Formats: sequence, structure tokens, C-alpha cells
Amino acid sequence: EAGVVQSPRYKIIEKKQPVAFWCNPISGHNTLYWYLQNLGQGPELLIRYENEEAVDDSQLPKDRFSAERLKGVDSTLKIQPAELGDSAVYLCASSLGGGTPDTQYFGPGTRLTVL
Amino acid sequence: GESVGLHLPTLSVQEGDNSIINCAYSNSASDYFIWYKQESGKGPQFIIDIRSNMDKRQGQRVTVLLNKTVKHLSLQIAATQPGDSAVYFCAENSMDSSYKLIFGSGTRLLVRP
Repeated sequence: EAGVVQSPRYKIIEKKQPVAFWCNPISGHNTLYWYLQNLGQGPELLIRYENEEAVDDSQLPKDRFSAERLKGVDSTLKIQPAELGDSAVYLCASSLGGGTPDTQYFGPGTRLTVL
Repeated sequence: GESVGLHLPTLSVQEGDNSIINCAYSNSASDYFIWYKQESGKGPQFIIDIRSNMDKRQGQRVTVLLNKTVKHLSLQIAATQPGDSAVYFCAENSMDSSYKLIFGSGTRLLVRP
């Protein structure tokens, strides 16, 4: 069974440019998460989707970050405009949803470098 | 790939020895705990989990111990192998945080051949 797929794996952009990351969760997983991971730290949740609904976006910097999961499957995370401090690894995870505990499975991440 | 956790606490063990990685969690209301392994350039990989109504759970070569009294979690790896070298994170999950996973600071495990 395929795991969580993310693309691109690496992205280098100049500050003030827009960037987008794509995630395809494990088939059948209703819950999708976007995390940010800074070097040397554990992942921090940005947003959680239950199907197509964003149920927790309290940690998402909404002035420049946006996310969507239009059909309740794939998701896109966008940053516009990017800042130097946005350089990090952006991880997508998915879980079955609908109960607890609900084990999350992570994709390989997209490493963003903002110059 | 780029390393995750260049400044993390490091545990160095000899191949074949047992490893113990410790984690202190923060929320006394947490009821579910997970250990993840993260290799360089990869996302966290699920290893083992435990609910708060248990104090020990065993998997293949791994054991997780939970001490709720002192809010401490440990991961024991038996007969550590070079492929076990990675950064290990514990994560906690609770109803009062809307079941959001809260990750601890990681520990880098280095296995000496």
C-alpha cells in the first residue's frame, strides 16, 4: 500500500515569491494534517482536515499561509509571499479519522529553502 | 539528505546492545502516546504506541514503558542495529487538546558498528 505522497521533495525560492506544496494521503484516510518542522525540533501542527473541512487551523499563519482540500482527498498548502523564516520542512500526515486513538502516518516532507 | 536535529541530545550505543530513549511529556491529561523514528531526509515513521490505561507494550524488538506518575515515557530497543540510527520523537495526544499530537524534543540514536 502506498504511503503519504508529497511533492515536490525540495523547493528553493526567493523571498516574497509564492510556493505551493501538494499532498496525497493514504487511500481511505479521512483526516489530513499539515505540519511544519524546523531543524532540530519536532513537527508542529499547522492545520487538520476532516474530509474537506478544516477543523483546526489555529496554528496556521493566515496572513500568508492557505490550504485547501477541495474533494476531501488531495491537499495543497500555499505560502504567499514566502519569508526567510519559512525555511523548514513541511510534512503532510494522514489518519483514518473517526475515533481515538488515530495513528498518524507521515509523508517524506517538502524541504523549503527561502533565499 | 539533510539531517534533522543537528543539535539534539545524542545517545551512542554499540551494535547489539540495548538502547533506552527517554521522554518527559507535559500534559497529565494525555491519554495516548506514540514513538516515531525519523531518518535523515524522511518523514517520521510510526514505531509503537501505548494508551494511558497501560504501562507497558511490546513490539518487535521495541518496548514502550509509560509512567503516568512522573509523566515519563521510554522506548527500549533490543539488540540495536545500524538501521536503528535515527532521531526518535515521542508524541502525546489528549482529548483536551482536540487530539492534536504534541511532539517532544527528539533524541538522536547513533549505533556504533
